[in-house]
Amino acid sequence: LAKTTQPISMDSYEGQEVNITCSHNNIATNDYITWYQQFPSQGPRFIIQGYKTKVTNEVASLFIPADRKSSTLSLPRVSLSDTAVYYCLVGGPGANNLFFGTGTRLTVIP
Amino acid sequence: DGGITQSPKYLFRKEGQNVTLSCEQNLNHDAMYWYRQDPGQGLRLIYYSQIVNDFQKGDIAEGYSVSREKKESFPLTVTSAQKNPTAFYLCASSAQRGTGELFFGEGSRLTVL
Repeated sequence: LAKTTQPISMDSYEGQEVNITCSHNNIATNDYITWYQQFPSQGPRFIIQGYKTKVTNEVASLFIPADRKSSTLSLPRVSLSDTAVYYCLVGGPGANNLFFGTGTRLTVIP
Repeated sequence: DGGITQSPKYLFRKEGQNVTLSCEQNLNHDAMYWYRQDPGQGLRLIYYSQIVNDFQKGDIAEGYSVSREKKESFPLTVTSAQKNPTAFYLCASSAQRGTGELFFGEGSRLTVL
C-alpha cells in the first residue's frame, strides 16, 4: 500500500502561488502520482498526473524529484474558488489500494 | 457526455432497512469502486470490481454488498448489518490499462433516521 503524507491544512491569500507537498516514500516503479480536488458534497475530480520530472496543464503544475519519493502540486495565483481539499495518490493501472488519507484542506483568504 | 451517474443524491432510511445506491458509467471502464466518506475524513474503500461478475472487499466491506452483472453498473446495498451507515458514498471507475486515474460520480448522501 503506497501511503501518502500531506499537510492537513494550508491558508493562502488570493493571487498567491500555493505549493502543496506530498510524501510517498514507498512508491512503486509503475506507480503514477495523481492529485485530486474535492469540494464539499462533491466527488473528487482529477487535477493533474505525472510520473517523473515536471508536468503542467492549464490549472496546475506537478513537480516530481528524481527519487519520486515526494511530489509538489503548484497552483498559480489562487482564487477563492480554489478553496477545497486536495488529495495526493500514488498507484498504477487497476490499482485497488489507493490511499486517500485526509488530504490537504486549502483555504483561500480574500 | 461520458461520466458516472449516482442516484439518489440524498436518501433517508430508517434503522433496520436495506437501501441500494445506484452507480452507472458510460466510460467503458472495466474497474469500478465504492468509497465511503465521513465528515472531515478521507475516502475509504468499501468494494471494488475489476471485471464483470467479479468483485473484492475493500477495507470496510462489513455491512455492505455489491453486484457487477453489467460492465456499466455497480450498485451498492447498505444492509441493516452496517452499524453506522450515515455517510457520503462515492462511486468511481478507472480504465484497467490507463494510468490509474479515477473518475468519480457526484456522490450519494445517506442519512439514517
